[in-house]
Amino acid sequence: KAGVTQTPRYLIKTRGQQVTLSCSPISGHRSVSWYQQTPGQGLQFLFEYFSETQRNKGNFPGRFSGRQFSNSRSEMNVSTLELGDSALYLCASRGYGAKDTQYFGPGTRLTVL
Amino acid sequence: ELKVEQNPLFLSMQEGKNYTIYCNYSTTSDRLYWYRQDPGKSLESLFVLLSNGAVKQEGRLMASLDTKARLSTLHITAAVHDLSATYFCAVDYTGNQFYFGTGTSLTVIP
Repeated sequence: KAGVTQTPRYLIKTRGQQVTLSCSPISGHRSVSWYQQTPGQGLQFLFEYFSETQRNKGNFPGRFSGRQFSNSRSEMNVSTLELGDSALYLCASRGYGAKDTQYFGPGTRLTVL
Repeated sequence: ELKVEQNPLFLSMQEGKNYTIYCNYSTTSDRLYWYRQDPGKSLESLFVLLSNGAVKQEGRLMASLDTKARLSTLHITAAVHDLSATYFCAVDYTGNQFYFGTGTSLTVIP
């Protein structure tokens, strides 16, 4: 079956702009998580959605937000971009069991100039 | 907050040698996951460890979990160049949030 897909794959923005990233989970998966990966901070959890509800949120400013649609597709939005937001943003979906692993998408590489 | 520490951070090893990567975490959990990441790529799931004493093996990699010691190990046997990658462990503490280790960058030298 198809894996997790993310669009766009690459994005270049300037400071102050906003950006929306999209994630389509594996068919049937209802849990979607977002992570930010940078060389300095590693993999940091942003938030997790399940059946359109945000169940958990990481320690990021309010500029970072997300949502999930009824078909489990998810979007994350970053407003008022800062240089430090340049990162690889990874989306992961999780299956039916509470102990299932997460399956990661290819990521969106965001560069803020 | 749950802390997950991996060591070493960087590992350079010769082909054919054995080595172990360690993953320590600060709060009791019986859900531990290992991932592999190649440069410029996403994360690939390697192992899922769900109970104390769990051991999983795939090819030259073997992972184990000791929940009492809050320790997981990833053992590499007779390393080959194709194993060069960054390896992450992750702990699921709350049921809906993975805490990732810092990663171990492995380079296998011919």
